[in-house]
Amino acid sequence: EDKVVQSPLSLVVHEGDTVTLNCSYEVTNFRSLLWYKQEKKAPTFLFMLTSSGIEKKSGRLSSILDKKELFSILNITATQTGDSAVYLCAVADYNTDKLIFGTGTRLQVFP
Amino acid sequence: GAVVSQHPSRVICKSGTSVKIECRSLDFQATTMFWYRQFPKQSLMLMATSNEGSKATYEQGVEKDKFLINHASLTLSTLTVTSAHPEDSSFYICSAPIGTDGNQPQHFGDGTRLSIL
Repeated sequence: EDKVVQSPLSLVVHEGDTVTLNCSYEVTNFRSLLWYKQEKKAPTFLFMLTSSGIEKKSGRLSSILDKKELFSILNITATQTGDSAVYLCAVADYNTDKLIFGTGTRLQVFP
Repeated sequence: GAVVSQHPSRVICKSGTSVKIECRSLDFQATTMFWYRQFPKQSLMLMATSNEGSKATYEQGVEKDKFLINHASLTLSTLTVTSAHPEDSSFYICSAPIGTDGNQPQHFGDGTRLSIL
């Protein structure tokens, strides 16, 4: 059965800290891995990764995929209180485009 | 700006009511849309794949007679929760991929928070 596992489940840090969120997966028909940020409403898109070893970057956020070891990490540097959210990792199935979601990592950043 | 619009954002109604939720793709055509359900402090669970012009594909354990899906046009999919009961209270979210080559991420609507009294 396809599955996506995220760790840690929750994280509490102070502003300015750097955090690393982990996502491992076992998906038979892998197309891509996606990271989303969810605050009070629906998830907003952060990154889509398809190739191993190529870092994607957007401001203080970056992510990389390792297709050999079947995992991805999301890094957030110099965290701010506005980064507080649930970060979701999902893998897209190649044949159906369905997204298989992990349980999410709840990040709380305190001033 | 938003690429997927979902309406309504919040519904509170009595048990036994049927509730319709709309999901629209803005400025692009979506032959496929997805419907998810999210319970508090849990992740998104796929309910069904909505296919334009054909029947929806339901995930295991999802009652198709309870959750009616209609994808009548290339920009609109609707989910109707029939005879809703308190256990159907949840956050319902739709998504649509831009394009059909799988190289674009899925974008989500803002979700519908359904509360059945």
